[in-house]
Amino acid sequence: QQQVKQSPQSLIVQKGGISIINCAYENTAFDYFPWYQQFPGKGPALLIAIRPDVSEKKEGRFTISFNKSAKQFSLHIMDSQPGDSATYFCAAIYSGAGSYQLTFGKGTKLSVIP
Amino acid sequence: NAGVTQTPKFQVLKTGQSMTLQCAQDMNHEYMSWYRQDPGMGLRLIHYSVGAGITDQGEVPNGYNVSRSTTEDFPLRLLSAAPSQTSVYFCASSRKDRISEQYFGPGTRLTVT
Repeated sequence: QQQVKQSPQSLIVQKGGISIINCAYENTAFDYFPWYQQFPGKGPALLIAIRPDVSEKKEGRFTISFNKSAKQFSLHIMDSQPGDSATYFCAAIYSGAGSYQLTFGKGTKLSVIP
Repeated sequence: NAGVTQTPKFQVLKTGQSMTLQCAQDMNHEYMSWYRQDPGMGLRLIHYSVGAGITDQGEVPNGYNVSRSTTEDFPLRLLSAAPSQTSVYFCASSRKDRISEQYFGPGTRLTVT
C-alpha cells in the first residue's frame, strides 16, 4: 500500500519558470510533511517541511502548499534555476509517541534547462 | 562534525556472499535507519533503531540484519546476497523526537551478480 503518492515522476522546466510537484496521502494520522532534495550521487537532504495546521510555508524560492481536506500538498519552486535540478521526495510522518517511520513518495526528477 | 559516514562507497558481490555495510554518525542521534533506493521506487525503509540495543523492522526487512551496540554505529548485514538486493543503500540519523529531520549519508552502491 503506497501511503504517499507523488507526481509527476519527472519534470522539465525552463530557467525562470515555476516547478510544481504534487503529493497525496491516505493516512489521516500523518501530521508532519517534509520535503527532501537529492542531487546525483548524494544522499537526500531536508529542504522544507509543513504541519497541516498551516496552509502555506515559504522559504526563499521554495513554497509548500497544503490542502488538509483534500489530503494533498505540493512543492512550488519559483524562478527555477539549473542548480535546482535534482530529485525531490515528499514524505509524511505521524509525530506521536512510538511512531518512527518516515514514509516517502517515489520521487520527482526535476530538470531545469537554460 | 563528519555527520553520517558510510563505507564502502561501492561494492560488488556474488550471489550468496555476505557482507556488512557500515554506518556511523557523530551527532549523538538516538535514531538511525537504513533505506534502499531503487529507480522509480523512492526510498524504502529496511530497519531502524531508536537507541543502542533497540532495533525494529521497516517496510522491506527480508534478507537484512541489523544490530545497534553503540549510539554511533548501525551496521547493515546481508547474510546471503541476492541479485534483488542490487541497490543504493542510505543510512540516516536524527534526534528521536525529530524523525522528520533525518541526516543522510552519501550512500553505498551495491551490485549483486
